[in-house]
Amino acid sequence: DQQVKQNSPSLSVQEGRISILNCDYTNSMFDYFLWYKKYPAEGPTFLISISSIKDKNEDGRFTVFLNKSAKHLSLHIVPSQPGDSAVYFCAASASRSGNTPLVFGKGTRLSVIA
Amino acid sequence: EPEVTQTPSHQVTQMGQEVILRCVPISNHLYFYWYRQILGQKVEFLVSFYNNEISEKSEIFDDQFSVERPDGSNFTLKIRSTKLEDSAMYFCASSGVGFGSSPLHFGNGTRLTVT
Repeated sequence: DQQVKQNSPSLSVQEGRISILNCDYTNSMFDYFLWYKKYPAEGPTFLISISSIKDKNEDGRFTVFLNKSAKHLSLHIVPSQPGDSAVYFCAASASRSGNTPLVFGKGTRLSVIA
Repeated sequence: EPEVTQTPSHQVTQMGQEVILRCVPISNHLYFYWYRQILGQKVEFLVSFYNNEISEKSEIFDDQFSVERPDGSNFTLKIRSTKLEDSAMYFCASSGVGFGSSPLHFGNGTRLTVT
C-alpha cells in the first residue's frame, strides 16, 4: 500500500538548470508534507516542508508546491548544483488524525551534472 | 547544530541473537522514533515514543522488538531474536513536537547485517 508515491526513481539535470521532483499521495487525510535529502551512509536530512493550508513554500533555492486537489506535490531546485546530487524522499503525515507516523515515498535519485 | 547520534554504525550478528541499537536524540526533543530501510526499499516507520511510552507502532514492530529510554539521553531499539530479514539500515529520529507539526531529525543510521 503506497500512500506516498515517487514514480521517478532517478533524474539527471545539468548544473544551473531547474530540478523538479514529483510526489503523489493517496491519503486525503495527509496535511503535512516534507522533503528530505539523503546522501549515501547518512540519514535523511530535512529540506523543506509545507502544510495543507498553503500551496507554496520557498526556502532559498528550494520551493515546494502543493496541489491538494490533485494530491500532488513537487520540489523545485533552482539553480541545481552538483552538491544537490542525492536521493530525495517525499514524506507526509496526517496531523489532524492523531499524529500518524510520517510515511515516506521510495525516493528519487537526483544527479546534477557539471 | 545539534544532531541525533547513533551507535554502532555497523552491527553484524548471527540469526537468533539479540541486538541493541543505540541512539542519543537531540537533547530538548520530546518525541523519538525508529525507522528502517531495507536495501533498495523505502524508509519504513517502526515505532514512536513519547512520555516514556510507545505512542504508535507499525506491523513490523512485533514482539521481537522493544524500545527503551533507560536514562535522560539514550533511546534504544532491541531486537530479541534477529532474523535474516531484519537486515536493514535502522534510523533513529527525534522531534520537538509530534508528527504533523515539525520535521523529524534523523541520525546517520546503524547498518544491521544478520547472517
